[in-house]
Amino acid sequence: DVKVTQSSRYLVKRTGEKVFLECVQDMDHENMFWYRQDPGLGLRLIYFSYDVKMKEKGDIPEGYSVSREKKERFSLILESASTNQTSMYLCASSPSWRSYEQYFGPGTRLTVT
Amino acid sequence: AQSVAQPEDQVNVAEGNPLTVKCTYSVSGNPYLFWYVQYPNRGLQFLLKYITGDNLVKGSYGFEAEFNKSQTSFHLKKPSALVSDSALYFCAVRGLRAAGNKLTFGGGTRVLVKP
Repeated sequence: DVKVTQSSRYLVKRTGEKVFLECVQDMDHENMFWYRQDPGLGLRLIYFSYDVKMKEKGDIPEGYSVSREKKERFSLILESASTNQTSMYLCASSPSWRSYEQYFGPGTRLTVT
Repeated sequence: AQSVAQPEDQVNVAEGNPLTVKCTYSVSGNPYLFWYVQYPNRGLQFLLKYITGDNLVKGSYGFEAEFNKSQTSFHLKKPSALVSDSALYFCAVRGLRAAGNKLTFGGGTRVLVKP
């Protein structure tokens, strides 16, 4: 079974802090994704990566950056956390074949106070 | 641009009755369509997908979905709902030319199955 793990289930940070969210997948997938989930808005794509050291902006990249130094790991960085970044963050991965679904981690619920 | 609409925020159904969750999409060219389910405090779990072929797709936990190209719809169905089907359901679409296999999700539909 594909396994996508995220470093924390719950996280509380203060405004202005730098925040790192880590995601690791164990299936040698080329593609990795970061989403945020908010009620009524569904999942919105923040960034994705289709190869090591490659990244592409998603629909809402403002206030975020990412890093992918190794194929299995994809990090989301909040350079200076703000209260409007309080959300559920979901990581996903998929193989390069278009027909494949994405596999999701359990999510990190981030609260910025 | 690709988009997905789930017109109902919540669907209530009695246990044993048929369940339908609606989804319409917009994409250039032929779509890849997906349904995911999210149980409380969990990540998304894949239910089923339409890539090509038969318009009726069968998936996990007794769910199925029907692809209708003329109506650009991909409604999720289950003939007899269970209380354990209560969850948040997401429809997603990907166009053939979407970079990096990028998915676009709908806003989600909460399903409540009452005993």
